[in-house]
Amino acid sequence: DAGVTQSPTHLIKTRGQQVTLRCSPKSGHDTVSWYQQALGQGPQFIFQYYEEEERQRGNFPDRFSGHQFPNYSSELNVNALLLGDSALYLCASSLDRGVRSNQPQHFGDGTRLSIL
Amino acid sequence: SQKIEQNSEALNIQEGKTATLTCNYTNYSPAYLQWYRQDPGRGPVFLLLIRENEKEKRKERLKVTFDTTLKQSLFHITASQPADSATYLCAPFTGFQKLVFGTGTRLLVSP
Repeated sequence: DAGVTQSPTHLIKTRGQQVTLRCSPKSGHDTVSWYQQALGQGPQFIFQYYEEEERQRGNFPDRFSGHQFPNYSSELNVNALLLGDSALYLCASSLDRGVRSNQPQHFGDGTRLSIL
Repeated sequence: SQKIEQNSEALNIQEGKTATLTCNYTNYSPAYLQWYRQDPGRGPVFLLLIRENEKEKRKERLKVTFDTTLKQSLFHITASQPADSATYLCAPFTGFQKLVFGTGTRLLVSP
């Protein structure tokens, strides 16, 4: 049973460029969340997708956008890259059971994005 | 504003001892709180979940407590082993499975 897979594992971009990161959730999961983790910090919530819609969003600018496909996989897009966007981007999946759901999140190993 | 605080400095202990990690939160009233382990270069891995009406939860050598009056959770690893060395993250529940993490505490267990 494959867990959460993310691609690519590493990526180097320059300021102003655009990037797309991809995530395949754990089999049977329908909810995908994206997190940004700067060095030495805890993961910060970017947004969450459920039923192909953005359901929640953290405190990130509109440069960060996403998409969820009918097979539940997801993409994270970041436009006009800044040096401060350098981080580990984590995808997490879970099975939705409503607003009070306490399902554990299953994380991928992330994409390490470096901005030069 | 909502805030989660964990020991920012690394916790160094000797093998066999009990490690205790602290998670304090403010301006939250979480119904649940989760603990995760993260190894370098890897994603977090779920360890334990504790509900607000549970004072204590155990899983093998792990124990979590949840004091909603103090707004604090403690995470204990008994008989610690070098393989327990990692960063441990707490995450109070905020609805719809959105996790808000603390900065994490790095645990180093020496042989």
